[in-house]
Amino acid sequence: DADVTQTPRNRITKTGKRIMLECSQTKGHDRMYWYRQDPGLGLRLIYYSFDVKDINKGEISDGYSVSRQAQAKFSLSLESAIPNQTALYFCATSGDRGPRETQYFGPGTRLLVL
Amino acid sequence: SQQGEEDPQALSIQEGENATMNCSYKTSINNLQWYRQNSGRGLVHLILIRSNEREKHSGRLRVTLDTSKKSSSLLITASRAADTASYFCATDAYQAGTALIFGKGTTLSVSS
Repeated sequence: DADVTQTPRNRITKTGKRIMLECSQTKGHDRMYWYRQDPGLGLRLIYYSFDVKDINKGEISDGYSVSRQAQAKFSLSLESAIPNQTALYFCATSGDRGPRETQYFGPGTRLLVL
Repeated sequence: SQQGEEDPQALSIQEGENATMNCSYKTSINNLQWYRQNSGRGLVHLILIRSNEREKHSGRLRVTLDTSKKSSSLLITASRAADTASYFCATDAYQAGTALIFGKGTTLSVSS
């Protein structure tokens, strides 16, 4: 969905490096999410934000941090990347009240940590 | 931990056949959604069914929900090669409020 963009699309980094994945949306949604996808494990929630001043940990937040710079921007950081953070990362957004409505996904960032 | 579990993990059919995949979940929900993912791409929402609904249709898709069994099924009729993708069910964590929880997915392969 072109309304949700992620940069970079692919990234190779080394163990111990700090990296940031960025997400921008033009849907005007208040809620934004970061997921990671590993083969055979489906999607797992890392962090989510219901508005600019609200940040919440998801199922697997250890080793990650986020920043909600504006309603339209939600960044995910790996402070010190490790190989088991190699995965496909997705940003998603949703609107309306409550976290239970349809989510719109970005195209994903494929991250390889050597 | 995953809330939804899809079954089967993989499904191979011929074009024109119907494809049925199932999802079981553990806790009470307000709604259940199905998403499709083409290889390596973002997920796309297909259909949402609320807990007070038993069946819903959208084009060639038919979704059922049985809250007593905590299960849902997605039926794709007259499958096409373009339906080849992974399909995920997603539920809201009714009390935790932690957004959607996705299952591990069913990989559907439709051959012509």
